[in-house]
Amino acid sequence: QIVLTQSPAIMSASLGERVTMTCTASSSVSSSYLHWYQQKPGSSPKLWIYSTSNLASGVPARFSGSGSGTSYSLTISSMEAEDAATYYCHQYHRSPFTFGSGTKLEIK
Amino acid sequence: QIQLVQSGPELKKPGETVKISCKASGYTFTNYGMNWVKQAPGKGLKWMGWINTNTGEPTYAEEFKGRFAFSLETSASTAYLQINNLKNEDTATYFCARYGGYYLDYWGQGTTLTVSS
Repeated sequence: QIVLTQSPAIMSASLGERVTMTCTASSSVSSSYLHWYQQKPGSSPKLWIYSTSNLASGVPARFSGSGSGTSYSLTISSMEAEDAATYYCHQYHRSPFTFGSGTKLEIK
Repeated sequence: QIQLVQSGPELKKPGETVKISCKASGYTFTNYGMNWVKQAPGKGLKWMGWINTNTGEPTYAEEFKGRFAFSLETSASTAYLQINNLKNEDTATYFCARYGGYYLDYWGQGTTLTVSS
C-alpha cells in the first residue's frame, strides 16, 4: 500500500507567518489524486485542496498546494488564527486509499 | 444542498453488533460511491473501504475484512456500516464520505461508537 508520511507532525506559527507542511508518498501518486483535508476538533474533515493545487470552495486564497510524484506540500502564505487545525493528505490513486498521519498546526 | 446525515452515538458491549447509517440528500445517491473512514480517539484518519452505490459491491481495506460490512438501502438513499463481534479497539468515530470523482467531497458529521463492558 502507499504510505503517506506527513511532516512535521506538530508545528506552531505566529500570525502572519508563512507555513509549509509536506506529504511524502512511498510510491508515486498521480497529482490528480492527491488531496488535503482540514479537520478541527469535534468536526468532520473538510476537503481543502484537491488534485494537488486546487482550492475547494470557500478556502481562502492564502492557501496553496503543489507537488508531483512522491512529494507534495501545502503552504499558507500568511497564518491566520482560523487556520489552526490538523491537515491530512490523502491519496485516491491506488487502493487502499490511504491518509497521512496529519500535521497539527497551532498558533504560536 | 448536499448533506450526509449519520445516526447518533452508540454504546455497545464487546461481542455485540452495531449498524451505523448515513442518509444522503441533495444529489442522486446512485451516482457517487460512498466511503467509510475510521478515527480512533486522538488519532488520525483511516480509510476503511467503499461501496459502489450503483451495484452494491463493497471493497474493504485489508484491516476491515471479516467483521465489517457495508450495505445500502437505495430507496432511502442510505448507506450502512455494520460491525459484528465488537472489540474495544472498535471504539472510534466513523465517518461516511461521498466520492466525488478523484476525492471525498462531502462528509457526514460522524458517529461515535464506544465499546466497553
